[in-house]
Amino acid sequence: GQQVMQIPQYQHVQEGEDFTTYCNSSTTLSNIQWYKQRPGGHPVFLIQLVKSGEVKKQKRLTFQFGEAKKNSSLHITATQTTDVGTYFCAGTSGTYKYIFGTGTRLKVLA
Amino acid sequence: KAGVTQTPRYLIKTRGQQVTLSCSPISGHRSVSWYQQTPGQGLQFLFEYFSETQRNKGNFPGRFSGRQFSNSRSEMNVSTLELGDSALYLCASSPLGVPGELFFGEGSRLTVL
Repeated sequence: GQQVMQIPQYQHVQEGEDFTTYCNSSTTLSNIQWYKQRPGGHPVFLIQLVKSGEVKKQKRLTFQFGEAKKNSSLHITATQTTDVGTYFCAGTSGTYKYIFGTGTRLKVLA
Repeated sequence: KAGVTQTPRYLIKTRGQQVTLSCSPISGHRSVSWYQQTPGQGLQFLFEYFSETQRNKGNFPGRFSGRQFSNSRSEMNVSTLELGDSALYLCASSPLGVPGELFFGEGSRLTVL
């Protein structure tokens, strides 16, 4: 079945350092979404990418969708303590369901 | 606009019992999907409903079932509970479903003893 892997599983960074999480799908995706879940909270939508090679920016966050639409990345520039949480990618390939990645837990040390 | 509401927020059950969880989506949203979240397995898709019809389901045993009512509210039921069913159950609503943005509720944390 379709699988979506994310790396790394955990990442500890010093405040001000950059952070990147990668998402890889076993199948071609129709679109991909990114969510952030704060500790004790629920996933909150960040962005959706649809086009091959698409790049979107939200302030310090940069999202990319691979040319083959099988991988994606989220890059945070100059992390802040408010960036703490688990980042999930979620992809779909033509069915009425999203397959969530395994998540990357980010810890930011002040 | 009120967000997605899930009840109960916390519950404790014993093995062999059954449980029903409820989800009220954002007003106007017709798609409701359910996910099981555990530390070891992450977020796993259970099923998705749209206008009272189940459009897709994940790889869970038949003990897990759900339904959606005409007002879009949804319930999921787990029968003959097992210890491994302990998890956070998240409901998400969206206006039309895939590929739209999912709005998650706070979840129902189930502990099976």
